[in-house]
Amino acid sequence: EAGVVQSPRYKIIEKKQPVAFWCNPISGHNTLYWYRQNLGQGPELLIRYENEEAVDDSQLPKDRFSAERLKGVDSTLKIQPAELGDSAVYLCASSLEGQGNYGYTFGSGTRLTVV
Amino acid sequence: GNSVTQMEGPVTLSEEAFLTINCTYTATGYPSLFWYVQYPGEGLQLLLKATKADDKGSNKGFEATYRKETTSFHLEKGSVQVSDSAVYFCALKPNAGKSTFGDGTTLTVKP
Repeated sequence: EAGVVQSPRYKIIEKKQPVAFWCNPISGHNTLYWYRQNLGQGPELLIRYENEEAVDDSQLPKDRFSAERLKGVDSTLKIQPAELGDSAVYLCASSLEGQGNYGYTFGSGTRLTVV
Repeated sequence: GNSVTQMEGPVTLSEEAFLTINCTYTATGYPSLFWYVQYPGEGLQLLLKATKADDKGSNKGFEATYRKETTSFHLEKGSVQVSDSAVYFCALKPNAGKSTFGDGTTLTVKP
């Protein structure tokens, strides 16, 4: 079974440009997360979806970040316009909530560099 | 709010040495506790978990025991290998809601 798939792996853009990240979770996982990981730090939640509904987006900078989860499966995270401080690794994770705490399965992440 | 505090790194050990990485947490109720490992250039991988007090999670020679009285979940391994070099993250998750992660501890094992 394929794990959580993210693309692209790396992205370098100039500030003020838009960028989008894509995530395909584990088949059957109803919950999807986007995390941002700064260098030397743990992941910080940006948004959590249960099926197609965003149930926690309190940490998402909504002036420039947006996300969607189509049909409760794939998800896209967008930044427009990007700022220098957005440089980080963006991690997608999925889990099967409601069946006990089995932990998350993470993708390999997208490393974003804004120059 | 919930929080996780990990032992600061980096930690450097010789092969076959004993490993302990300390983790303490603050949370309401009884969260589940996790250790994740992150190898260079990769995402986090679940290493082990414990869902209630006194549970011991174990995997690949690593162990951690859920200690409610000391709100701790320390990671241990009796004999580390070079291949264990990675960043280790402690995390908690309440029954409903999101996980909270520590800042990670970098482990380097030298031959």
